[in-house]
Amino acid sequence: AQTVTQSQPEMSVQEAETVTLSCTYDTSESNYYLFWYKQPPSRQMILVIRQEAYKQQNATENRFSVNFQKAAKSFSLKISDSQLGDTAMYFCAFMKHEGDYKLSFGAGTTVTVRA
Amino acid sequence: EAGVTQFPSHSVIEKGQTVTLRCDPISGHDNLYWYRRVMGKEIKFLLHFVKESKQDESGMPNNRFLAERTGGTYSTLKVQPAELEDSGVYFCASSLVTGRSGANVLTFGAGSRLTVL
Repeated sequence: AQTVTQSQPEMSVQEAETVTLSCTYDTSESNYYLFWYKQPPSRQMILVIRQEAYKQQNATENRFSVNFQKAAKSFSLKISDSQLGDTAMYFCAFMKHEGDYKLSFGAGTTVTVRA
Repeated sequence: EAGVTQFPSHSVIEKGQTVTLRCDPISGHDNLYWYRRVMGKEIKFLLHFVKESKQDESGMPNNRFLAERTGGTYSTLKVQPAELEDSGVYFCASSLVTGRSGANVLTFGAGSRLTVL
């Protein structure tokens, strides 16, 4: 079974600054997918970014980027130029590569962006 | 395109009562999933439908939980009778395809918060 650990329950960042969320995971799989999901207060949970384990290049989506360290089983999310709309709970998740549908989630990190 | 819709957004019931949560997936998505997050803990998988068939219900906690997806469209999750430990946020998600050609990308709803007193 896969486990996903997010060690930071809460983080606060000043608007326009950068914040990094940590995520580590444990798996015996060699190929898999990793995700960061974001859930703003009382709103839909949306996919922020995803990474395929066989790709060495770190995924980037606008102000969101990841630092994927496969050997260390680490998958951190960096939010650059933080905006008030980034305030949300962020979940790290793991999925096996082929034919899977079960996401294994971390406990989440609440990010608050201060004006 | 409309997203995954869940209601009610919040339900408060007393122990022993019954609650039914509803999920409307994205149109055309054959795959529908239920997940649950108990306060402060990880989001956990409950079950997976492919159209109207239960593909995997290994995450369902016990027989007080009943999920249905008649006609392969919307799904309901009934908890009867509700217990205190059932409190949490119930997420529904849907997807178009599973596996083979890449990651199965799930689209989630906003969740239904259940509070059992």
